[in-house]
Parts: sequence; structure tokens; C-alpha cells
Amino acid sequence: QSVLTQPPSASGTPGQRVTISCSGSSSNIGSNTVNWYQQLPGTAPKLLIYSNDQRPSGVPDRFSGSKSGTSASLAISGLQSEDEADYYCAAWDDSLSGVVFGGGTKLTVL
Amino acid sequence: EVQLLESGGGLVQPGGSLRLSCAVSGFTVSSYAMSWVRQAPGKGLDWVSALSAGGGNTYYADSVKGRFTISRDNSKSTLYLQMNSLRAEDTAVYYCAKRAVGRSYYFDLWGQGTLVTVSS
Repeated sequence: QSVLTQPPSASGTPGQRVTISCSGSSSNIGSNTVNWYQQLPGTAPKLLIYSNDQRPSGVPDRFSGSKSGTSASLAISGLQSEDEADYYCAAWDDSLSGVVFGGGTKLTVL
Repeated sequence: EVQLLESGGGLVQPGGSLRLSCAVSGFTVSSYAMSWVRQAPGKGLDWVSALSAGGGNTYYADSVKGRFTISRDNSKSTLYLQMNSLRAEDTAVYYCAKRAVGRSYYFDLWGQGTLVTVSS
């Protein structure tokens, strides 16, 4: 049981916009920033969004993040086949004094 | 090139020990907080432990507290994870990750991972 809650799966067709939600509590998302990681099949995770809505250099602007209260969302617009991956939200948890992850969302491009 | 390279994984019996290493290149390991994150087969990411920049503070997930120890050898630019009293549920790919500088807690660099299998 993950501390942050994500839907286990999401899907869309090429060109569509999809969103992935991440729900937490006051000790994690409510008081710290949210980060998103993308894990392509068979590879290590890669930073996708940091500090709620910032994109690292090299990440296409099709990816965007937002946060409100104790929830956050990742949006992917103009969906492409190479976006098929697992997506994880994460945040520092003040009560646990550690990083907590969501259970991950497997994105399928139909 | 900025890179993290894990090693030391393998097959170990329940109750046994293993030490993982993470060789750092392209930056000074002592200047950054570092973490270990694991992923059980077919499962999600699970944070294990963190070491602050400078090494003064360590943090552990409850599931490994008292069994795992994170440390760093600055002269060798290497991060370690000493794992004792291993259990079947510790079976996972273990990644080392570098925390980015700043107030936000996120990992901007990950290694490729090393597989630990705990089985008799």
C-alpha cells in the first residue's frame, strides 16, 4: 500500500491528452513539492517534473504538472507512442522523514 | 560525464548480508545528498535510505531500519548500502539516486540499478 495514491493504469490514443492523478496528505503533498518520474520499460526511472510544475532540460513541454492542496496531477498532451511507460509521483513526507512514492500508473498508448 | 554505477547485487540466502556500491562520476559525491531506492519485481518504486550532503544525517524506511546502513567514501567517490538480515521481501532492483540541490526533494540522476535476490 503506497502512501501516495495513483490510478494503476491510464490510456489514450496518439494526439490525445491524458492526466494522471496523485493523492496524498498534509504531511507529504500538502507541505512539500511533488515530483514525477517516468520509467520506460526495462530502464531506470528518469526525472520528468520537479517542484510541482517544472520541467528539466530536455523534457518536452507536452508534459506538465500541477498541485492543489494534497493532490497533484501530471498531464501529457499530444500523446505519442514513446510516452508508453510507468509514471510515479513522489514527495518528501515530514511525518515519515523520508520520500514517499505513488504506486505508479502504467500508461498505454492505444 | 555525470553518472551513477551500481554494483554488488546478487543471490543471497535469507538472513545473509550484502553490500551494494554506487560509483559516482562527474560530480563530487560529498556535495550532494544521495539515496537508495528499490523496485521489487513487477512492483513500484520504494525509497530505502538517504544520506545528507556532508554525511551528517541518515534516514531509513521503517522496513529496513536497524538492518541496512547507508554510508559514503568520499575518497573513492562511492556510496554504499550495507544490507544485513536480508529477507525475501528485500528482493528488488536497487537504484542509487542523487538529490538535486535546493529546497525541493527530488532525484535528478539515477543509476541503472543492481538486482538483489534473497532466496534459499
